[in-house]
Amino acid sequence: SQELEQSPQSLIVQEGKNLTINCTSSKTLYGLYWYKQKYGEGLIFLMMLQKGGEEKSHEKITAKLDEKKQQSSLHITASQPSHAGIYLCGAHEEGSNYKLTFGKGTLLTVNP
Amino acid sequence: KAGVTQTPRYLIKTRGQQVTLSCSPISGHRSVSWYQQTPGQGLQFLFEYFSETQRNKGNFPGRFSGRQFSNSRSEMNVSTLELGDSALYLCASSLGGGLGDTQYFGPGTRLTVL
Repeated sequence: SQELEQSPQSLIVQEGKNLTINCTSSKTLYGLYWYKQKYGEGLIFLMMLQKGGEEKSHEKITAKLDEKKQQSSLHITASQPSHAGIYLCGAHEEGSNYKLTFGKGTLLTVNP
Repeated sequence: KAGVTQTPRYLIKTRGQQVTLSCSPISGHRSVSWYQQTPGQGLQFLFEYFSETQRNKGNFPGRFSGRQFSNSRSEMNVSTLELGDSALYLCASSLGGGLGDTQYFGPGTRLTVL
C-alpha cells in the first residue's frame, strides 16, 4: 500500500520566517492534497495538485508537485501565529479512486 | 453552504458497548468517507459510500460498519467497543468521490472508551 512520509515531523519558527514542509510518496502520486488541522478538530482543505510541475498559491502558502520525485512541498512565506497547526498531505492510492492515504502530519509552531 | 456536520461531537462509552456516529455532508455531495485518527496511527481510512453503496473499505475489523441514506447522510457504527477504539472519527464529503474530487471534512466526533 502507499505510504506518505512527511518531513519534518515538527517545526518551530519565529514569526516572519519562511518554512517548507515536504511530503514524499512511496508510489506514484495520483493527486496530492494539503490540509491543515488544529489539534482535535477537523481538517481544513488548503490545496490540491494533480499534475507534475503544478504549483498553486493561496495567500502566503504555496504548494508544488514534483511527479518524478513523487514529492510535494508546502512553503509558507512570512509565517504568522495563525499558520500554526498540523499540516497533512493526502493522496489517492493507485487503483483506489475513493480512498485517501495521509501522512502522519507536520506540527508547526510559530512563536510571536 | 453549510459545511459537513457530525454528531455528537464528544462521546464517552465503556468497553463492550456499541456506538453510532452521524455525518451530514455538504448539500449536493453524494460521497461520504469515514476516517479514524489516533496519535499512533494517524489518519486511517475506514470506508466510503456513494449513493447508498459502499465502494471502498479500509483494513478495520467487522465491528466497524457504516451505511448511507438516500439523502446522502451517513452513519457509522462500532460494536463491542475496545479501549483501542478511542479516537477522533472524521467524516468527509465530496461531490462524487473520485480522483481530483476534493474531500471536505467535518469537525469530528471524539470517542473515548473507558
